[in-house]
Amino acid sequence: QQQVKQSPQSLIVQKGGISIINCAYENTAFDYFPWYQQFPGKGPALLIAIRPDVSEKKEGRFTISFNKSAKQFSLHIMDSQPGDSATYFCAASPGGYNKLIFGAGTRLAVHP
Amino acid sequence: DAGVIQSPRHEVTEMGQEVTLRCKPISGHNSLFWYRQTMMRGLELLIYFNNNVPIDDSGMPEDRFSAKMPNASFSTLKIQPSEPRDSAVYFCASTLNTGTGSDEQFFGPGTRLTVL
Repeated sequence: QQQVKQSPQSLIVQKGGISIINCAYENTAFDYFPWYQQFPGKGPALLIAIRPDVSEKKEGRFTISFNKSAKQFSLHIMDSQPGDSATYFCAASPGGYNKLIFGAGTRLAVHP
Repeated sequence: DAGVIQSPRHEVTEMGQEVTLRCKPISGHNSLFWYRQTMMRGLELLIYFNNNVPIDDSGMPEDRFSAKMPNASFSTLKIQPSEPRDSAVYFCASTLNTGTGSDEQFFGPGTRLTVL
């Protein structure tokens, strides 16, 4: 059972554009929603995260939007740069031991 | 800090052989996770430990897989016997579990396993 659904599978954006990746979850026990960024040949690294008590969190060019009633959250990358080209994973955790359930990933390519 | 250290970085073995993957978590971290990444199944959590004790091994695919954490600075993931479908990148991650459920996991560089 896929507990966190992520779309799109791949995304191509022009430099300076906005990249949007969407995730949806089923389990209402999830209370922590991080996004991880992975470059080829590297392990994933935390990019930004949100708790369900807020609807939006912004860090630089990266913003998470969270809709608790719809059980959806999304990552927006403003002014996308070629250096943002990577695979992005959304995840969800029910808390406690920090167990993460990852989405399938989105491969982002930012063209100059 | 050196980060999470995994060895070997690459492993090529033949079907039926035993494979042991190693992980050294970040000093001071008390939780350790083993993940497997494939194109077909994405990032899957295999098992995780808290204070060296296995908490949840429900992601371990079958009895051929086993994991140990004999002390706070070392963990192993063993596959015996290995099969071609075990070919994947295996990641180890660690975190300092503060009980908030929102602690950052730090991933190692991974071990790319190829079973022929």
